[in-house]
Amino acid sequence: EAEVAQSPRYKITEKSQAVAFWCDPISGHATLYWYRQILGQGPELLVQFQDESVVDDSQLPKDRFSAERLKGVDSTLKIQPAELGDSAMYLCASTLRGGFKTEAFFGQGTRLTVV
Amino acid sequence: EDQVTQSPEALRLQEGESSSLNCSYTVSGLRGLFWYRQDPGKGPEFLFTLYSAGEEKEKERLKATLTKKESFLHITAPKPEDSATYLCAVQGGVYSGGGADGLTFGKGTHLIIQP
Repeated sequence: EAEVAQSPRYKITEKSQAVAFWCDPISGHATLYWYRQILGQGPELLVQFQDESVVDDSQLPKDRFSAERLKGVDSTLKIQPAELGDSAMYLCASTLRGGFKTEAFFGQGTRLTVV
Repeated sequence: EDQVTQSPEALRLQEGESSSLNCSYTVSGLRGLFWYRQDPGKGPEFLFTLYSAGEEKEKERLKATLTKKESFLHITAPKPEDSATYLCAVQGGVYSGGGADGLTFGKGTHLIIQP
C-alpha cells in the first residue's frame, strides 16, 4: 500500500543546532504539505507545495524555518537554529493534486525534542 | 479565519456503549470537512470527507454526518481498538485550481474504550 515516508522518526537536538526532516510523498502526488503538531493540539499548516513551487508559507517562521522541494518529489524541512519551543511532531502529507475534493494522506511524522 | 472546535476533549466509554463526538466549525465557504483518527506517536489516518450539509458516510462502527455548522462522528457499539484521538478538520475558501488549501484542524477528542 502506498504511503508517505518520513525520516527520521525521532530526533533529539540541542538548542541552537540545525535540524532537518525529510519527506517522500505518495508516488504521483503533486501537492505536499508540512504540518507541526504540538502535544495535545491539532496539526497546524507550515507550508504547502504544488510540484516544486511554494503555494502557501504564510505560517512558516521564516527567520529559522526553510522548506524545499527541488524536483517536485521529495521535500526537506529545516530548522536553524532550533529553539526549545520547536519541540513537536512534524508531519508531512500529500494529495494527488491540491484543490477540490481531495483528501490528504499523512506520514508517521518526525518527533523532535529540543534540549 | 477558519475555526474548528471539538467536544468533548476526552471521552471514556465502556465497550459497546455508543456515543457521538462533535465538531463545530466556522469557515468562509466549506470545500470539505475531514475526519481523521490518530494513534499515539503516529500520523493521522484518513477516515471520511464530507462536502455538503446532509451528507453521511459510514465505515464499520463509525458514521459521520454534516450540517451547516457542525459535524458529528457517531460510534456504535465501540470496541477497545477504537480507542484513539479523533481529529476534525476543514478546508475552506474558493477553489482556485491549485491554490492554498491546507486544512484547519481542531484539537481532537481523546476517546478511550474500556473492556
